[in-house]
Formats: sequence, C-alpha cells, structure tokens
Amino acid sequence: DVKVTQSSRYLVKRTGEKVFLECVQDMDHENMFWYRQDPGLGLRLIYFSYDVKMKEKGDIPEGYSVSREKKERFSLILESASTNQTSMYLCASSSLLAGFLNEQFFGPGTRLTVL
Amino acid sequence: AQTVTQSQPEMSVQEAETVTLSCTYDTSESDYYLFWYKQPPSRQMILVIRQEAYKQQNATENRFSVNFQKAAKSFSLKISDSQLGDAAMYFCASRGGSNYKLTFGKGTLLTVNP
Repeated sequence: DVKVTQSSRYLVKRTGEKVFLECVQDMDHENMFWYRQDPGLGLRLIYFSYDVKMKEKGDIPEGYSVSREKKERFSLILESASTNQTSMYLCASSSLLAGFLNEQFFGPGTRLTVL
Repeated sequence: AQTVTQSQPEMSVQEAETVTLSCTYDTSESDYYLFWYKQPPSRQMILVIRQEAYKQQNATENRFSVNFQKAAKSFSLKISDSQLGDAAMYFCASRGGSNYKLTFGKGTLLTVNP
C-alpha cells in the first residue's frame, strides 16, 4: 500500500514564526504536491515537485516555499506565518507513469492554526 | 487551463437510496482524465473512480458509477445503495493528459441519513 505521511496532524504557531510541514512517501514516487484546503474553496495547489531539487509553482505559491532534498521527502515552508495561512495542508504523491495510472495518493493532512 | 465546478455544496441521502453528485468541467486539452475523490471526516482522501476522456463507456466501481457526457463537459457520480460509510466530502478533479497536476472542484459534502 502506498503510504504518504505528514509530520503533524495538528499544529499551532504564532504569527511571524517559520513553519515547516514535512511529507514523506514510501512508494518511490517522482511527483509530490502540496495543497491547501479551505472550506468552500476546495483544494488549491501551492507547489509541486517532479524530481529531487526540482519544483514548480502552483496556483497559490505566495508566502510559501518548498524543499525537496530527497526523493521521498517534500517540505513546505512558511517563512513568516500569517493568520491567513491558517488552513488544512495536504501532501500528495504520484508516479511518473503517463496517463491513466497517474493517481495521486494523499497524506492525512496537517491542520495548521496561526495565532 | 482547466476548471472544475461542483454546484452542490451539500447533499443528503437516505441509507440504501441512490444519490448523484454533479460536476462540470472545462478544458482546452483533447486528452484528459477525470476523477472523483472521497474525503471521509478526519481521514485521508482516497480515489473513488476515474474516467479517461477518450473512453465512451462510463466507469463503474462497485456501487459507484459515473455519467460522463463529453459534449456537455459533465461528469456526475452516482452512488447506489448508499451506506453510512459513504458520508464524506467528495471532490471532482480533472487532469490534462500531458500534465501531472490535478484541478479540483470545491467539493460536495454528502450526508447519509440512517
């Protein structure tokens, strides 16, 4: 079974803090994704990575950065957390297989509250 | 660019009944894929069913089936014999054939009443 794990289920941080959200997958997937989920807005892509040290901006990258030093690990960084970054963060991974088989597998999510 | 619209923020169904969740999409790509994901309360998002755009036959997975209307750009999910465990947020998503990124709708919260 594919497993995508996230370092924390719940996190509370203060405004201005640097926040690291970690994601690890065990299926040797090339692609990894960070989404933000907000009520009424669905999932929005923040960043994704298709290889180690490679990254591409998604739809809402402002205020975030990412790091992928190892294939299995993809980190989301909030350089200076703000209250409007309070949200559920979902990590996902998928293989490079073309077409239909390219299913994304999701982690359990991290609910981040910024006070 | 792709857009996905789910017009029903919430739906409810009686246990053992059938419910249909709506989804429309727009894409400029000729090759694309469509998905329904399920997110149970406090649990991981999982894939329910998927459809290749070039296939005319509607996908089916046990009690879950889709009604894919390509010309209308519609991709609805039908859940038959609804069970309490079907209660979840359901997301419709699309992906271009040459792209790894999913575009999600805003979700439909399904309640199953006993």
